Amino acid sequence: DGGITQSPKYLFRKEGQNVTLSCEQNLNHDAMYWYRQDPGQGLRLIYYSQIVNDFQKGDIAEGYSVSREKKESFPLTVTSAQKNPTAFYLCASAWNNQPQHFGDGTRLSIL
Amino acid sequence: GESVGLHLPTLSVQEGDNSIINCAYSNSASDYFIWYKQESGKGPQFIIDIRSNMDKRQGQRVTVLLNKTVKHLSLQIAATQPGDSAVYFCAENAGNMLTFGGGTRLMVKP
Repeated sequence: DGGITQSPKYLFRKEGQNVTLSCEQNLNHDAMYWYRQDPGQGLRLIYYSQIVNDFQKGDIAEGYSVSREKKESFPLTVTSAQKNPTAFYLCASAWNNQPQHFGDGTRLSIL
Repeated sequence: GESVGLHLPTLSVQEGDNSIINCAYSNSASDYFIWYKQESGKGPQFIIDIRSNMDKRQGQRVTVLLNKTVKHLSLQIAATQPGDSAVYFCAENAGNMLTFGGGTRLMVKP
């Protein structure tokens, strides 16, 4: 069953701690994306990757980092530099200008 | 910058009625639009898309209309059901990059 898997579903971060959100896809899509969604708001782009070993900053990249060592994986690290990390994080993938497919998100909160 | 936005933040409809959700865009060069449905605690789910060489496209109970003259698109849901309750986003897709509007919450009254 093809799709995008995000884990964990809920995550808590202590002050000064880095946390990593996982995103895996078995759709063989080249492009992958990370979005942040705040309550009652739309989606804002954090980082994206159009191909393995390459990624670009989105609109709100500060305080975040990513890697794209494998086609199927695009982990997002929320660093201690991100002072307001509480949000719903969504990962997506796409191929050849087709609609993006989304995972079911990770909800990050501060302890 | 360019943006995609929505007219109404919340829409309440009676079960069985038709729903219309509107979206305005500002980039006249946009040529591909997508509607997503997002249920609480889940990721957006693709509903229907339309390219600029069309002005109407129909799916199962859903229709998207595109008016390029006034840079407006709408999503029509026929015979709205409780399961249609969600937030709906329009998005402009260009080169594998999406620009989202702020979303409209659809509430279906029994």
